[in-house]
Amino acid sequence: DAGVIQSPRHEVTEMGQEVTLRCKPISGHDYLFWYRQTMMRGLELLIYFNNNVPIDDSGMPEDRFSAKMPNASFSTLKIQPSEPRDSAVYFCASRPGDGLAPGEQFFGPGTRLTVL
Amino acid sequence: KQEVTQIPAALSVPEGENLVLNCSFTDSAIYNLQWFRQDPGKGLTSLLLIQSSQREQTSGRLNASLDKSSGRSTLYIAASQPGDSATYLCAVSMEYGNKLVFGAGTILRVKS
Repeated sequence: DAGVIQSPRHEVTEMGQEVTLRCKPISGHDYLFWYRQTMMRGLELLIYFNNNVPIDDSGMPEDRFSAKMPNASFSTLKIQPSEPRDSAVYFCASRPGDGLAPGEQFFGPGTRLTVL
Repeated sequence: KQEVTQIPAALSVPEGENLVLNCSFTDSAIYNLQWFRQDPGKGLTSLLLIQSSQREQTSGRLNASLDKSSGRSTLYIAASQPGDSATYLCAVSMEYGNKLVFGAGTILRVKS
C-alpha cells in the first residue's frame, strides 16, 4: 500500500487566497483525520471523519476552515480566505475501523503551507 | 482537558547508549498511547501502540511501557544509533483511538 497520500507537499500563497489541501487515505481505512502542526502549538487535531461523515470538528479554528470527504478515498481541507497565521504543516492520517489494530493512526507526509 | 508532557525536550547521547524518553499525561482515562517518530520535514511514523489494558510493547530495540494510573509512559531505546536521531512524539487517545493529544516531543541526537 502506498500509505496516506497528501497533495500538494508545499503550498505558498498570498493572504486572502483560497487554499485546498488534499488527502487520500489508506484503502480500507474507515477513519480520516486532519491535524495541524506549528512551533507554538505543536500537533493539534482539527477534524475527523468516520465512513465519510464528520464526527468531531471542534478543533477547526475558525469558519474560514472547512473539510469534506465526498468518498472513502478522498478528503479536502479548505481555507478561505487564508491568513499568515494559517502557515503550518497540515497532516492527514487514517486508521482502520474499530476491532482491527484498534486505534493506530497512520500519517501522511504533510503539506507545508506558507501564507504571505 | 488532557495535557501531555514530554521530558526531556532535547537529548544528545553518544552512539551505543541506552536511553529513556518520558511522557506524562494528566487524565488517566485514555484509550491507548502511541509513540511516533518524526524526521525533519517528514510525516510521523508510528513506533509502538499500547492499549490502556497493556503494560508494555516491544519492537526491536524499542520498548514502551505504560502506567496508566500514574499517567506515565516511557520509551526505552537500546544501543542507540545515529539513525535514531529524530523527534519522538507521545500521543494519547481519549476516544476509541481517535482524538489524539500530542506532547511537544523530545528531540534526540545520537552522535557517532
